[in-house]
Amino acid sequence: AQSVTQPDIHITVSEGASLELRCNYSYGATPYLFWYVQSPGQGLQLLLKYFSGDTLVQGIKGFEAEFKRSQSSFNLRKPSVHWSDAAEYFCAVGTTSGTYKYIFGTGTRLKVLA
Amino acid sequence: DVKVTQSSRYLVKRTGEKVFLECVQDMDHENMFWYRQDPGLGLRLIYFSYDVKMKEKGDIPEGYSVSREKKERFSLILESASTNQTSMYLCASSLWSGEGTGGYTFGSGTRLTVV
Repeated sequence: AQSVTQPDIHITVSEGASLELRCNYSYGATPYLFWYVQSPGQGLQLLLKYFSGDTLVQGIKGFEAEFKRSQSSFNLRKPSVHWSDAAEYFCAVGTTSGTYKYIFGTGTRLKVLA
Repeated sequence: DVKVTQSSRYLVKRTGEKVFLECVQDMDHENMFWYRQDPGLGLRLIYFSYDVKMKEKGDIPEGYSVSREKKERFSLILESASTNQTSMYLCASSLWSGEGTGGYTFGSGTRLTVV
């Protein structure tokens, strides 16, 4: 069965610094991979997704993620963090079998220092 | 703008009450999902539906049921609310087919408190 691990529960960065959020997955084939962001008290918003092709994926709000099959990873990056990026970030994995049910990681909460 | 709408942002219910959480989507999506979100546990799937009147149990279905009488509406029912069902409930929808799914679209969530 597929699974997703986000090793960092909390991350704190200074505004303007670069950011990398880690995500590791377990799945026998090439999965569908997603990153979502959740602002306080809100639902989740899709940042970017990977289905196939180019392993570097661009998303909204200046985020990007790179699929590395050899490391079973899909890490999220941003070169310069803004205070408004403070939120919780979830990685998710989906499969092509059955009903496209996704498995979510437990999330990484990002704090941005002014 | 496409939307998933959850009828209530905040609910407070008493132990033993029957609780209905409503979710409506306007995107003609086949799949609909109910998750609960708790600190440190992430999102856990309660039930999902891939067609009208079709439903499947997720990872934590105990104490819940669902109803999907129309394609756009997916209801979560707490048969007899208990304090351990205090949580944030998130509804989501998605297209059926492969790469065209584009991922889930989520509602804004319902924060339920059972007292």
